[in-house]
Amino acid sequence: KQEVTQIPAALSVPEGENLVLNCSFTDSAIYNLQWFRQDPGKGLTSLLLIQSSQREQTSGRLNASLDKSSGRSTLYIAASQPGDSATYLCAGATGANNLFFGTGTRLTVIP
Amino acid sequence: DAGVIQSPRHEVTEMGQEVTLRCKPISGHDYLFWYRQTMMRGLELLIYFNNNVPIDDSGMPEDRFSAKMPNASFSTLKIQPSEPRDSAVYFCASSFTREGGYTFGSGTRLTVV
Repeated sequence: KQEVTQIPAALSVPEGENLVLNCSFTDSAIYNLQWFRQDPGKGLTSLLLIQSSQREQTSGRLNASLDKSSGRSTLYIAASQPGDSATYLCAGATGANNLFFGTGTRLTVIP
Repeated sequence: DAGVIQSPRHEVTEMGQEVTLRCKPISGHDYLFWYRQTMMRGLELLIYFNNNVPIDDSGMPEDRFSAKMPNASFSTLKIQPSEPRDSAVYFCASSFTREGGYTFGSGTRLTVV
């Protein structure tokens, strides 16, 4: 069974700082890895999807990388803003087309 | 596209009552998933369908839980009888293929008192 771990569990940074969120997974045979954002009391918003054949994806100030051999993915957020405060979840899709979610990183960007 | 639509957004019910959660996936998506999110356990897959057929229901906690997908545009998750420990946020998600990524609905917050 795929296990996904996210470190750190919580992170506070001052506004404007660049930051990296980490995600590690145990089964390298993933089809894709997806990063989501969840605001308190809300649903999940997809941020970036990296296919297994890709190494990274970029959207605006966000960049996600995938290293299947080491079982790791990172989400880089440039020039953080208070509006980036949320919980960030990574999830890996396995051969059974099942998404295994990490435990999430709760990000707080301090104005 | 309106995205994945779930109803109701909030549900409060008394223990022992039947609860039905509804989901309309994105048109053309062949896969539909039901997840449950709690503080203690995070997001857990309950069941998923491919082309309206249940593929894996190993995540369904007990026989009190059942899910159906009578057609490509509608699915239900039913809990009968409901218990306080069923209180959670239930999400529905759909995808086109395993490579297509997942789109989640806004969730149903269930409270069983």
